[in-house]
Amino acid sequence: DGGITQSPKYLFRKEGQNVTLSCEQNLNHDAMYWYRQDPGQGLRLIYYSQIVNDFQKGDIAEGYSVSREKKESFPLTVTSAQKNPTAFYLCASTRWAHSYNEQFFGPGTRLTVL
Amino acid sequence: AQTVTQSQPEMSVQEAETVTLSCTYDTSENNYYLFWYKQPPSRQMILVIRQEAYKQQNATENRFSVNFQKAAKSFSLKISDSQLGDTAMYFCAFVPSQGGSEKLVFGKGTKLTVNP
Repeated sequence: DGGITQSPKYLFRKEGQNVTLSCEQNLNHDAMYWYRQDPGQGLRLIYYSQIVNDFQKGDIAEGYSVSREKKESFPLTVTSAQKNPTAFYLCASTRWAHSYNEQFFGPGTRLTVL
Repeated sequence: AQTVTQSQPEMSVQEAETVTLSCTYDTSENNYYLFWYKQPPSRQMILVIRQEAYKQQNATENRFSVNFQKAAKSFSLKISDSQLGDTAMYFCAFVPSQGGSEKLVFGKGTKLTVNP
């Protein structure tokens, strides 16, 4: 079955460490997105990528980095510069870069900084 | 800047009854799309319903329907015959049709509880 996978489901990080969240899709979608979800805040866009080897900052990109070397993969690195990284992170993809298209979401990764 | 407001942080409804979730948005765009997403306790985001702003007819999907009032910038979701499985967070989202960035703007969500 096609879909989006995120790993790990739960991730714990010590302060000062970088950590990478995985997002893989086998839907042959062109565009991929990373969102952060905090209680009472809805979803906020971190980064998005419309094609391979290209990506743009979203609304809260500071302290995060991404890469898009393959169409099916869009990993997110949470760096030590991110001051409050504890949150739920959702990856999404859509077939091509058009507003009409539904974004399909992965199951999410819960990141906790110890 | 475009914003989406969901004024009801929490709501509850009895099983089999009807409930309406509110959403308003602010934009200067004329063409755009609106969505309602559901996030159950599993936290998997699922698209419930989608509305194109240029269409006057309200979208419907089985028990889910919207009341889209473009002039008022309102986009409410009506759930008929509520079921226990409808218990979830519901997010309203907006994206302009121009620009090609497909950047969804989400509201803060409404937590809906369906009681037996």
